[in-house]
Amino acid sequence: SAVISQKPSRDICQRGTSLTIQCQVDSQVTMMFWYRQQPGQSLTLIATANQGSEATYESGFVIDKFPISRPNLTFSTLTVSNMSPEDSSIYLCSITRGYTEAFFGQGTRLTVV
Amino acid sequence: AQSVTQLGSHVSVSEGALVLLRCNYSSSVPPYLFWYVQYPNQGLQLLLKYTTGATLVKGINGFEAEFKKSETSFHLTKPSAHMSDAAEYFCAVSDQAGNQFYFGTGTSLTVIP
Repeated sequence: SAVISQKPSRDICQRGTSLTIQCQVDSQVTMMFWYRQQPGQSLTLIATANQGSEATYESGFVIDKFPISRPNLTFSTLTVSNMSPEDSSIYLCSITRGYTEAFFGQGTRLTVV
Repeated sequence: AQSVTQLGSHVSVSEGALVLLRCNYSSSVPPYLFWYVQYPNQGLQLLLKYTTGATLVKGINGFEAEFKKSETSFHLTKPSAHMSDAAEYFCAVSDQAGNQFYFGTGTSLTVIP
């Protein structure tokens, strides 16, 4: 198993501001993944973060809106920039291990007002 | 490319009744298939997975699923529902590199006492 710690667990933010979400893993991993789970919907992959290189973003997500840092093999941050109410979601950090299982943090529940 | 379809966004069963949550997948390569459960205000937890070998896989909490290649299905079942099974259930498929997981839209299970 893996222990993934995300913080903050929840936040209420004003529109136009930015929030940085932190993800700490208990062991070194090559790739870390960031997902968004909008209310009542499934998980959508935002980007894949590799240590030492720029994150790879999925269609519909851009670096200016969701900048990601990956300073080492156990840590990553996702920033939600210039927030609007449409950004209200749960944001989840994830890793895979052994190519056959994904582990998830508990998520960050973001509400933009 | 991989994709997952979960039939029924909401399923209600009586306590003690059979639970059946449906999942169909599309994959251009032999898939790895997963069921995850998400309890309120928590992250995702792996219930069970199929990679290779026996097509009937057993998971935690009495759940099992059967991989049927001819039907491209991976339905989740439990013989007798318990109140604690009330949660959101996600079916997922990954490529064999485990680099990316594709999630279904989820099924919310309600257990009626």
